[in-house]
Amino acid sequence: DAGVIQSPRHEVTEMGQEVTLRCKPISGHNSLFWYRQTMMRGLELLIYFNNNVPIDDSGMPEDRFSAKMPNASFSTLKIQPSEPRDSAVYFCASRKGTSGSSYNEQFFGPGTRLTVL
Amino acid sequence: EDQVTQSPEALRLQEGESSSLNCSYTVSGLRGLFWYRQDPGKGPEFLFTLYSAGEEKEKERLKATLTKKESFLHITAPKPEDSATYLCAVQTWGKLQFGAGTQVVVTP
Repeated sequence: DAGVIQSPRHEVTEMGQEVTLRCKPISGHNSLFWYRQTMMRGLELLIYFNNNVPIDDSGMPEDRFSAKMPNASFSTLKIQPSEPRDSAVYFCASRKGTSGSSYNEQFFGPGTRLTVL
Repeated sequence: EDQVTQSPEALRLQEGESSSLNCSYTVSGLRGLFWYRQDPGKGPEFLFTLYSAGEEKEKERLKATLTKKESFLHITAPKPEDSATYLCAVQTWGKLQFGAGTQVVVTP
């Protein structure tokens, strides 16, 4: 299994530009999560999808952030316009199963390191 | 409000010197406690899941335990390759909430 795939691995852009991060979850997994990791705030959940449907986007910091999951094998996180404070590592994770009395583990991708100048 | 607190923030060990990491939590409706390992420049790597108080899981030199208020990750006779940041996370309805992590450095 290839694991969770994210692209690009590194992105450097200038303030005001649009940034699109991409994620391919593990085949057969039906939950997908976008996280952001910084030294100050640690690992924060931005949004998650069950069966391609956004369930909770309360972690999305501002309207500049948006996420889509058009099918079971692809998701995007878009920032428009980007700002220097958006600089962080963005992780995508996927999980088998959606909900219940207990949950399976999430598997994380390698992350995208975003730098906004 | 749900909270996850890990201690210590950092731990420096000599090779072979056993120690424990703590993860204390206050959540409503725990549906799993997870331990992950994160190496620099990489995504978190899953280690263990614990679901109920009294449960224990082991993998090589690592052993995780769970009570109603906290979890411990015991590292027995660590080696330099055990150096990493160890993250604990609690699963409530729908969401996984992470602690800040414990950075472990094992020196030869």
